[in-house]
Amino acid sequence: IAGITQAPTSQILAAGRRMTLRCTQDMRHNAMYWYRQDLGLGLRLIHYSNTAGTTGKGEVPDGYSVSRANTDDFPLTLASAVPSQTSVYFCASTASPGNTEAFFGQGTRLTVV
Amino acid sequence: QKEVEQNSGPLSVPEGAIASLNCTYSDRGSQSFFWYRQYSGKSPELIMFIYSNGDKEDGRFTAQLNKASQYVSLLIRDSQPSDSATYLCAVNRRDSGYALNFGKGTSLLVTP
Repeated sequence: IAGITQAPTSQILAAGRRMTLRCTQDMRHNAMYWYRQDLGLGLRLIHYSNTAGTTGKGEVPDGYSVSRANTDDFPLTLASAVPSQTSVYFCASTASPGNTEAFFGQGTRLTVV
Repeated sequence: QKEVEQNSGPLSVPEGAIASLNCTYSDRGSQSFFWYRQYSGKSPELIMFIYSNGDKEDGRFTAQLNKASQYVSLLIRDSQPSDSATYLCAVNRRDSGYALNFGKGTSLLVTP
């Protein structure tokens, strides 16, 4: 692994199903983030974590949950998917919160039908 | 209302010209400002960051910051067709753990 990796790269999901998007980084970055990107709306912050063991809500947290059990992993869970959660999801990390370069994963394209 | 505003474009410039991309932000306490480039279907990648008022140059790119006017810009000199992409302005937001707050992006098209 080099950098930040997301899985899966794409997924079609039935509405009502539970889904976890995985994100792993090997850069020992303290801060990690989940964004969703929708046409015309840009990148919007879902949840963030400034250090292992802590998480916070972003701009659009409803319907999503996260955990940060260790430095490397930051999974995003959709407890019961709805069609409005169809989006491209990006995980990102920074060495420290906000003032250094953010590295992005390759994205997960999720379609909820 | 989005706190980081960009003109969505598309901005079309001929090859070799200067492309000027603009961004305004609402949080006066923001300290860090970034420009990312995103090709269609790809992840955003950092072009430049700027923390202080004034200009910062890196190759063909110049970032300009004016905190009094809450304004950030990116100039691309000698534009190339390979510069055609969406450019995202990002500002750190104090109310979300200093996570980056992105504008919606400006689409740039450089025509040969």
